[in-house]
Amino acid sequence: GAVVSQHPSRVICKSGTSVKIECRSLDFQATTMFWYRQFPKQSLMLMATSNEGSKATYEQGVEKDKFLINHASLTLSTLTVTSAHPEDSSFYICSARSSGIVLNTEAFFGQGTRLTVV
Amino acid sequence: GESVGLHLPTLSVQEGDNSIINCAYSNSASDYFIWYKQESGKGPQFIIDIRSNMDKRQGQRVTVLLNKTVKHLSLQIAATQPGDSAVYFCAERSQGAGGTSYGKLTFGQGTILTVHP
Repeated sequence: GAVVSQHPSRVICKSGTSVKIECRSLDFQATTMFWYRQFPKQSLMLMATSNEGSKATYEQGVEKDKFLINHASLTLSTLTVTSAHPEDSSFYICSARSSGIVLNTEAFFGQGTRLTVV
Repeated sequence: GESVGLHLPTLSVQEGDNSIINCAYSNSASDYFIWYKQESGKGPQFIIDIRSNMDKRQGQRVTVLLNKTVKHLSLQIAATQPGDSAVYFCAERSQGAGGTSYGKLTFGQGTILTVHP
């Protein structure tokens, strides 16, 4: 089945530094990728929608200059948390929507990245 | 039993029992609904989906029911097993802009399912 690979699975960084998270679709092309943030015991909150070759669309309240998204190819999107602060510590999850004809267009999620800012 | 409040609703069942997890969605224009299972420290895992032109869909040990009149979705798990213990989320997909493409997913608050051996 289709696989979405997210890297790294865990990262600890110092306050003020930047962290890049990668999301790859391994066996299909993804014209659209989504980035979510999830705090403990809460639901997934959509941060932004990333379309290949164009600027990401950010949800209300998400700072686009802080959460930089790049979707340069049909198989890779990256999320960079710039100047991270402890309040950015969270579980970040990506999902990829296939550009092909598949039945379960919303089936493909990465395994998540646990970001801890110290 | 279930409890709703500031914390995720919880459902505790015995192994072998049937489980029913409920979800209320908000957008009457949503055209597609999905149930996901999320284990601790992992991303959501697709379980089953249903389109808005259906009211029931069955999979292996799972059934999804959709009541558009009251905007309610449920997931039934038959013969629940300890491996089913996880957080379950429903998600609704809105129609895309201009109705020409798929919109974004909105996730429900989630329900913690605990299965006791």
